Amino acid sequence: DAKTTQPPSMDCAEGRAANLPCNHSTISGNEYVYWYRQIHSQGPQYIIHGLKNNETNEMASLIITEDRKSSTLIRPHATLRDTAVYYCIVLITQGGSEKLVFGKGMKLTVNP
Amino acid sequence: DTEVTQTPKHLVMGMTNKKSLKCEQHMGHRAMYWYKQKAKKPPELMFVYSYEKLSINESVPSRFSPECPNSSLLNLHLHALQPEDSALYLCASSQDIRGPWNQPQHFGDGTRLSIL
Repeated sequence: DAKTTQPPSMDCAEGRAANLPCNHSTISGNEYVYWYRQIHSQGPQYIIHGLKNNETNEMASLIITEDRKSSTLIRPHATLRDTAVYYCIVLITQGGSEKLVFGKGMKLTVNP
Repeated sequence: DTEVTQTPKHLVMGMTNKKSLKCEQHMGHRAMYWYKQKAKKPPELMFVYSYEKLSINESVPSRFSPECPNSSLLNLHLHALQPEDSALYLCASSQDIRGPWNQPQHFGDGTRLSIL
């Protein structure tokens, strides 16, 4: 089972910041939080990941709370092309391999 | 454009047919994955290969048979599928998973499979 919960959907105005929340209250100390998104008819696209510290790359920023029980993905200036299903995932290790267990994700709709 | 290439993009087959899905990457990744995604559902992991050896099989029915002939290729052989197997089949790859567990998976755009 997925170790994360997200609201099912969110709307955002074009040009505004999109703040996507995620709860992962059962996360273990060495488990990473990953964010992917899936635009219609495409494969999931990696966005960002983190362990404890806040992270930023060219796509987004990831803010992880100090207790690591929740995180927020921030797209600072959302565009219409950011409309997608966003998945917050805790990477699980099993038998020396890694597993991405996708939850239901959150549909972000960016409106003009 | 994705760095993981899946062929074919679409496949229609009967329940008695045998077909194969192909996945290719040239990023030097040593872990490769198959996922299944039903409409309006999240992807579900099927198989994981690490250094060309099967490391995870998520209790997938034997009518799905994976194969990793070399570090760049991953196949999924299909035989005697059922209509409920119709789905998008996604392939992904990642770097050496024996290293730090902080290496993202790169996905292809999938093969959309329809079973008649």
